Amino acid sequence: KNEVEQSPQNLTAQEGEFITINCSYSVGISALHWLQQHPGGGIVSLFMLSSGKKKHGRLIATINIQEKHSSLHITASHPRDSAVYICAVHFGNEKLTFGTGTRLTIIP
Amino acid sequence: GAGVSQSPSNKVTEKGKDVELRCDPISGHTALYWYRQSLGQGLEFLIYFQGNSAPDKSGLPSDRFSAERTGGSVSTLTIQRTQQEDSAVYLCASSLASSGLYGYTFGSGTRLTVV
Repeated sequence: KNEVEQSPQNLTAQEGEFITINCSYSVGISALHWLQQHPGGGIVSLFMLSSGKKKHGRLIATINIQEKHSSLHITASHPRDSAVYICAVHFGNEKLTFGTGTRLTIIP
Repeated sequence: GAGVSQSPSNKVTEKGKDVELRCDPISGHTALYWYRQSLGQGLEFLIYFQGNSAPDKSGLPSDRFSAERTGGSVSTLTIQRTQQEDSAVYLCASSLASSGLYGYTFGSGTRLTVV
């Protein structure tokens, strides 16, 4: 069965802390996306990756194909980073299969 | 346009009525997707269009749901005889091409409430 699991489900941290959100999937994929959804807001695509590592500002995404695992890191976290972060993958077809999301709250 | 546009942003309808949700993708994006996010639940795939190919309808939850994409651009998702369980945020996304080779741009969604 094609599954995507995220951890933790909820994460609360102090401003400035280094944040890590994890995503594991059950079988081989063609691509993985990290998405951000603010409360009441739409979804923003942060990264798409199929290997290695990508960095954008304070956000870093890594993927280990052999271990079927990806991580999203946020350095020097800020209250505006508070959102739901969603991992989504292509299991070799066109549609995305989504994780259940990680709700991140950064306290000033 | 600059982004994926969805309309209406909010829709309240009575149970049993039909509704139409519209998605205007980014110009030139050949791939268009509809997803649904029910309250307290994750996102689920509904339907996918790629160019002139037959759409992938494998995610549509029942035959009350249908979608079309005219001229390879604007798409309409239609829900007939709406039920309360249809209440959700319906999201549209578009991409330059399929196969996950390109990133997605999501619309801001249509929040459907069936009363």
